[in-house]
Amino acid sequence: DAGVIQSPRHEVTEMGQEVTLRCKPISGHNSLFWYRQTMMRGLELLIYFNNNVPIDDSGMPEDRFSAKMPNASFSTLKIQPSEPRDSAVYFCASSYSGIYNSPLHFGNGTRLTVT
Amino acid sequence: AQKITQTQPGMFVQEKEAVTLDCTYDTSDPSYGLFWYKQPSSGEMIFLIYQGSYDQQNATEGRYSLNFQKARKSANLVISASQLGDSAMYFCAMRATGANSKLTFGKGITLSVRP
Repeated sequence: DAGVIQSPRHEVTEMGQEVTLRCKPISGHNSLFWYRQTMMRGLELLIYFNNNVPIDDSGMPEDRFSAKMPNASFSTLKIQPSEPRDSAVYFCASSYSGIYNSPLHFGNGTRLTVT
Repeated sequence: AQKITQTQPGMFVQEKEAVTLDCTYDTSDPSYGLFWYKQPSSGEMIFLIYQGSYDQQNATEGRYSLNFQKARKSANLVISASQLGDSAMYFCAMRATGANSKLTFGKGITLSVRP
C-alpha cells in the first residue's frame, strides 16, 4: 500500500495567492482528516470527512479556508487568499470510520510558507 | 469534549534505558481508544500503539508498552531499551467510538536519547 499521498511536499507562495493542497487517502479508508501543525498551536484538526461528506469543519480558521472531497480517493484543501499566518505544515490522514481502534495514517505533510 | 494533556517538559534518557512519557485524558464517552504517535525530526507522523478503553490488558508493541490506568485516566507510554532513533516528538491522542469520531491530540513531548 502506498500510504496517504500528499502534494506538494513544499509550497512557497506570496501573500494573497491561492494555495491548493492535495491528498490521496489509503484505498478502502472512508474517513479523511486535515490537520495543521505549528509550533505555537500544535496539531489542530481543521476538517474531517466520512464517506466523502464533511462531518465537522469547526476547526477551519476562517472563510479563506475550504476543503472538498469529490470522491473517495481525492481531497483538496484550499486557502484563498493566503496570509503569512497560514504558514504551517498541513497533514492529511485517513482511517476506517466507525472503528474506534482504527488508527489514523498520516501523509508526509505539505510545508506551506506564505511570504 | 475530549482533552489530552501532556505536560512533561523535554525528556532525556540514556541509551538502552527505559523511559515513560505521561499522558492524561478527559472524556465523557464510555468507550474510546488511546493512541501514541511518534514524529521524528523528518516530520512524518508514525503510529506506535493503541489501547482500547475496555481492553483488559495493557497494550504492547515491541519495545513500546502502554501503562493504562483507566480510573486515573492516564495512558503512559513506556519505551524500553531506548535507542538513538527514538529521539523524536511523541503525541498522545484519543478517539471516541462512533461513526463520526475524530482523533484529538495532546501537545506532545520531546524525547532526546543520549548515547
